[in-house]
Amino acid sequence: KAGVTQTPRYLIKTRGQQVTLSCSPISGHRSVSWYQQTPGQGLQFLFEYFSETQRNKGNFPGRFSGRQFSNSRSEMNVSTLELGDSALYLCASSPLASQETQYFGPGTRLLVL
Amino acid sequence: GQQLNQSPQSMFIQEGEDVSMNCTSSSIFNTWLWYKQDPGEGPVLLIALYKAGELTSNGRLTAQFGITRKDSFLNISASIPSDVGIYFCAGQNQAGTALIFGKGTTLSVSS
Repeated sequence: KAGVTQTPRYLIKTRGQQVTLSCSPISGHRSVSWYQQTPGQGLQFLFEYFSETQRNKGNFPGRFSGRQFSNSRSEMNVSTLELGDSALYLCASSPLASQETQYFGPGTRLLVL
Repeated sequence: GQQLNQSPQSMFIQEGEDVSMNCTSSSIFNTWLWYKQDPGEGPVLLIALYKAGELTSNGRLTAQFGITRKDSFLNISASIPSDVGIYFCAGQNQAGTALIFGKGTTLSVSS
């Protein structure tokens, strides 16, 4: 079974731009979660989608949004990028509605200049 | 919000040594997970624990779910160079809620 895939792997943007990241979960997984990882803050939960509905949301500003499609693929969008948005964005999928065992993709490294 | 305290923050050991790291929480968790992250990659699930007192092994790795449900530890026996990486604990206090991650333990192994 293929693992979680994320595209693109690397991205450079400038302040004020917006960005869209994509995640394809493991086949059959319906839960997709997004995390931001930075050296100072560690792994911080952004949001989770299950069956196209946002089920959980972390403490991030409204500039961060996401969605899930009927095939369970998910995208996250960050608008009006700030320097502090530079981070590794990780997507994780889970086979269970309970979300407990999550399998991570390799991440998208975003650099905001 | 809830936080997990993971310690130690970093470890420098010799190949062949055993390693122990742990996570504690101020509140109860129903699930504990341990992940390892290599540079440039996403975390990989090592061990999942679902029951207080549970002791689970995966090769040279052993993890336990504390009986108070507020802590968990991970042991690595006979470390090898490929054990190098960042180890994260994660907990979930209710089914369907987001995982909470510790800040990680960076392990360095010298041969």
